[in-house]
Amino acid sequence: DAKTTQPNSMESNEEEPVHLPCNHSTISGTDYIHWYRQLPSQGPEYVIHGLTSNVNNRMASLEIAEDRKSSTLILHRATLRDAAVYYCILRDPPNDYKLSFGAGTTVTVRA
Amino acid sequence: EPEVTQTPSHQVTQMGQEVILRCVPISNHLYFYWYRQILGQKVEFLVSFYNNEISEKSEIFDDQFSVERPDGSNFTLKIRSTKLEDSAMYFCASSEVLQIAKNIQYFGAGTRLSVL
Repeated sequence: DAKTTQPNSMESNEEEPVHLPCNHSTISGTDYIHWYRQLPSQGPEYVIHGLTSNVNNRMASLEIAEDRKSSTLILHRATLRDAAVYYCILRDPPNDYKLSFGAGTTVTVRA
Repeated sequence: EPEVTQTPSHQVTQMGQEVILRCVPISNHLYFYWYRQILGQKVEFLVSFYNNEISEKSEIFDDQFSVERPDGSNFTLKIRSTKLEDSAMYFCASSEVLQIAKNIQYFGAGTRLSVL
C-alpha cells in the first residue's frame, strides 16, 4: 500500500486558515487522495477527495501538487468545531474496499 | 441528513461471552463496513460486506468474528467469545457506491465495547 506522511500535530487560531500537509511520494498514477477527520469521541467523517486537480467543497479545499507527491488540505476559517484528527488516505482503484487510517494530524484550534 | 446509527453506545461484557453490535446503515447504501479503534490507537479496518457476502477482511477478522445483514435494515458484527483485547470502539460505516472516485464512507458514532 502507498503510504502517507503527516505532521503529528498543528495549532491554529480561530477564524484563521489551516494548511495541513500530506506527503505521498510513492503514490501511483491511479491512487485517489482522500481526507477524513475524526472529532473527539466520534466516528471518522469524510472531508474531501481528489485525483489530480484541486478540489473545493463546503468543508475544505484540497490542493494537489503537480507531481502528486504531496497534497494540502486547507480549512479556510478554522472554528472550534474543526478541532479533530485529520487523516490523509490513498485509495487504489478500481475497488479498494477499505480505508487505511494512519496516525493523522491532530489539529488544535485556539479561541 | 441521513446517518448511520449504532447500538448500543456502550456494551460491557465478561470475557468469553458473545456480543452482537448492531448498526443501521443509510437506507440506500449497498456497501457496509466495520472498523475498530483501540483506545489511543489508529482506526483499523475489519471487514467490508456487499450483496450478503464479505468483500474483504483484515487479519484481525478471524473466526471469532462474523457479520450478518439479517434484514433489509440492520448490519451486525458478532464476536463469538470475547477476549480482553477486543475492548475497543467499533465503528460501522456504509457507502452508496464502491468506485473509488465516488466512494464516501459514512460512519456511525461507534459502540464502545468493554470486556472485563
